[in-house]
Amino acid sequence: GAGVSQTPSNKVTEKGKYVELRCDPISGHTALYWYRQSLGQGPEFLIYFQGTGAADDSGLPNDRFFAVRPEGSVSTLKIQRTERGDSAVYLCASSLGLAANTGELFFGEGSRLTVL
Amino acid sequence: TQLLEQSPQFLSIQEGENLTVYCNSSSVFSSLQWYRQEPGEGPVLLVTVVTGGEVKKLKRLTFQFGDARKDSSLHITAAQTGDTGLYLCAGVRPGTASKLTFGTGTRLQVTL
Repeated sequence: GAGVSQTPSNKVTEKGKYVELRCDPISGHTALYWYRQSLGQGPEFLIYFQGTGAADDSGLPNDRFFAVRPEGSVSTLKIQRTERGDSAVYLCASSLGLAANTGELFFGEGSRLTVL
Repeated sequence: TQLLEQSPQFLSIQEGENLTVYCNSSSVFSSLQWYRQEPGEGPVLLVTVVTGGEVKKLKRLTFQFGDARKDSSLHITAAQTGDTGLYLCAGVRPGTASKLTFGTGTRLQVTL
């Protein structure tokens, strides 16, 4: 596809369950970012991949959160033992270059996670 | 504590009015970007500024990067209903090549 694709668009789960959120970046983009956004707030950085490796995971809130990008393209954000506070929109973005080089981030529409 | 504070948090104006949104920090940024986000969508880049004191214009939008590269502003002239959305500044700190940090956001509503 032409843009960043995220699935599912909407996920409702129960407290304590495991959740996977998928991101398919723009073809050829080596940089991939995950952000979390609460209603009306700015996105909060979670993790950044350059190729297959997590170059910066300093934004992951705790060890229940984990992300992979095994082949340097599609990425999966995994959340274990979900809590109500995890409810948010999870945004994925991809870029041709580093943010430091003023690379534009292209965002998907997000996955809305609701933990009951 | 948010690294980038935006003000105002919410702004409701009528079409034709002018407005300014501010993005402030106590930290220096290598570059700063402005995004606009509409409901149900991801943020979309409007502009990138990299030099202290830089001013960029995009039609009715004027962006300025502070001389010390700690703050930025977005000025909209003669707002239109199509300008409605969440405006986000985002910056890269020196030495953190990968991490784009977003501001707290300003929700703009423009009515007829």
